[in-house]
Amino acid sequence: ILNVEQSPQSLHVQEGDSTNFTCSFPSSNFYALHWYRWETAKSPEALFVMTLNGDEKKKGRISATLNTKEGYSYLYIKGSQPEDSATYLCARGGGTSYGKLTFGQGTILTVHP
Amino acid sequence: EAGVVQSPRYKIIEKKQPVAFWCNPISGHNTLYWYRQNLGQGPELLIRYENEEAVDDSQLPKDRFSAERLKGVDSTLKIQPAELGDSAVYLCASSLALGSSSTDTQYFGPGTRLTVL
Repeated sequence: ILNVEQSPQSLHVQEGDSTNFTCSFPSSNFYALHWYRWETAKSPEALFVMTLNGDEKKKGRISATLNTKEGYSYLYIKGSQPEDSATYLCARGGGTSYGKLTFGQGTILTVHP
Repeated sequence: EAGVVQSPRYKIIEKKQPVAFWCNPISGHNTLYWYRQNLGQGPELLIRYENEEAVDDSQLPKDRFSAERLKGVDSTLKIQPAELGDSAVYLCASSLALGSSSTDTQYFGPGTRLTVL
């Protein structure tokens, strides 16, 4: 993996479904992995910053895990609600520019009532 | 606490025209970032300021783009002249600390959606 990649690109689920998406990133020279939620017409909102292999973070119905050795992170949403509809972005911190975040292209989640 | 403020929210211009975007970061935040998000892609860093100093502008197309943060608070990003390929969302973000760390949370504004016709 040379860049930060997210899958799937888009996802449609029904209200109440649980769902998850993947962020893959270069595992070398890793410092941090950020997750953001970006609702239409609003500012991207920071969800998690993860640094250690095996990290698990939780915020309400949303949780994330991190595997730095193999270079991936999963974001889980339990019991999706229509208000969870948004673009979910992950970003890798590190590399040649210390404070720079390299973003994936995002996963667009639509939760249907 | 007020978040990052950007204006305008939307801008439509014809190619070869100039355009400017303004950003006011969260009060007390020393580091300011400008990102560009092209359709279907993730945001890409254009420039990072620590106070009034541009510490990373390697991705800024300097032939037509310029930025300033004169008093180390608000910032302006300018394009002159704009090209069709500049159509994108321009995001501003800020973070608290100097010597930006990869673990620092960056707080984003809502962005300016630019359309170049």
